[in-house]
Amino acid sequence: DAGVIQSPRHEVTEMGQEVTLRCKPISGHNSLFWYRQTMMRGLELLIYFNNNVPIDDSGMPEDRFSAKMPNASFSTLKIQPSEPRDSAVYFCASSSGGRISGELFFGEGSRLTVL
Amino acid sequence: QQQVKQSPQSLIVQKGGIPIINCAYENTAFDYFPWYQQFPGKGPALLIAIRPDVSEKKEGRFTISFNKSAKQFSLHIMDSQPGDSATYFCATTGGGNKLTFGTGTQLKVEL
Repeated sequence: DAGVIQSPRHEVTEMGQEVTLRCKPISGHNSLFWYRQTMMRGLELLIYFNNNVPIDDSGMPEDRFSAKMPNASFSTLKIQPSEPRDSAVYFCASSSGGRISGELFFGEGSRLTVL
Repeated sequence: QQQVKQSPQSLIVQKGGIPIINCAYENTAFDYFPWYQQFPGKGPALLIAIRPDVSEKKEGRFTISFNKSAKQFSLHIMDSQPGDSATYFCATTGGGNKLTFGTGTQLKVEL
């Protein structure tokens, strides 16, 4: 199994630009999560989907952030417009089963730097 | 609101030592307590997990101790090795599908 695949691995952009992060979950997994990791705030859950439907987006910082999951094998996290404080590592994770077992499979992350 | 408090923030031990990382939670509805290990440049990966119906779980050199009445759980690494140097996160979940992580502990095992 290829695991959770994220792209790009690194993104450097200027303030005000649109950023799109992409994720391919593990085949057969029906839950997908977007986390943000910073030194100050640790790992924060932004949003999660179950069977492609957003279940909880209470962690999305503000309207500049949006996430979609058009099908079971693809999700995007978009930031528009980006700001320097959005600089972080963004992780996508997936899991199987309707009731979380605690085992999330994480991708290697997308490191975003907003100048 | 921090639902799980993790300590210490960083830890340095000698090879063969037994580092201990502690977590305290607030919500008694939490019913699953995993520990994740993260190496630099990688995503976190599940290391070991426990449910509150047992007080201890061992997997190889890793042990979770769970104290339900105190609402605390800890990770012990026996015979620690330099390859164990990583960041460790405790986490909790209960009654839903959200995993809340602690703030992480950077462990360094020196030769």
